[in-house]
Amino acid sequence: SQQGEEDPQALSIQEGENATMNCSYKTSINNLQWYRQNSGRGLVHLILIRSNEREKHSGRLRVTLDTSKKSSSLLITASRAADTASYFCATENYGGATNKLIFGTGTLLAVQP
Amino acid sequence: NAGVTQTPKFQVLKTGQSMTLQCAQDMNHEYMSWYRQDPGMGLRLIHYSVGAGITDQGEVPNGYNVSRSTTEDFPLRLLSAAPSQTSVYFCASRRTSRGTDSPLHFGNGTRLTVT
Repeated sequence: SQQGEEDPQALSIQEGENATMNCSYKTSINNLQWYRQNSGRGLVHLILIRSNEREKHSGRLRVTLDTSKKSSSLLITASRAADTASYFCATENYGGATNKLIFGTGTLLAVQP
Repeated sequence: NAGVTQTPKFQVLKTGQSMTLQCAQDMNHEYMSWYRQDPGMGLRLIHYSVGAGITDQGEVPNGYNVSRSTTEDFPLRLLSAAPSQTSVYFCASRRTSRGTDSPLHFGNGTRLTVT
């Protein structure tokens, strides 16, 4: 049961441009997290936004959350070739006995130098 | 600080063989989990553990066993490998199991091919 769906599946931009990725989910959440995966490596946590927050910033990253539309976006400003990676959203709900992070299918970002 | 360590990095098995994927963390994390990653499917949760001696099933547990005898280790056992288990497997841990918004820390994965 996939909770998150990222859009677009793939994105190619030039260095210096901004990259925007979107995530839609199906059920209520307590937080939404974004992770990055470089080719052949494990995922690395980027940023977490709680359900009562609408926007959060971390360096060149800006995340928004719209719980009424069940969607989030990740903006990377002034992209660099080193930002080339896959980006995943993951949602968490505290309703069960143990929280589980459910991941989306990811967006593959290619930043051309 | 090594974080989450997975071994082996690569493995080829024949159908019907069994093997154990190892995972160890040195961060004293309460929660550990196994995901598999397949093209176009994202990451799917196989099994997880909220502490030593406690394990539970995730979304896709069939064909896999786990145990958690210590806080540090969480091995994943394939009982009788099938081609459908060809995938990249990730172990991940977090500080606590619920209610604290703690992020997951991932290992670098084991790429498994079953022929």
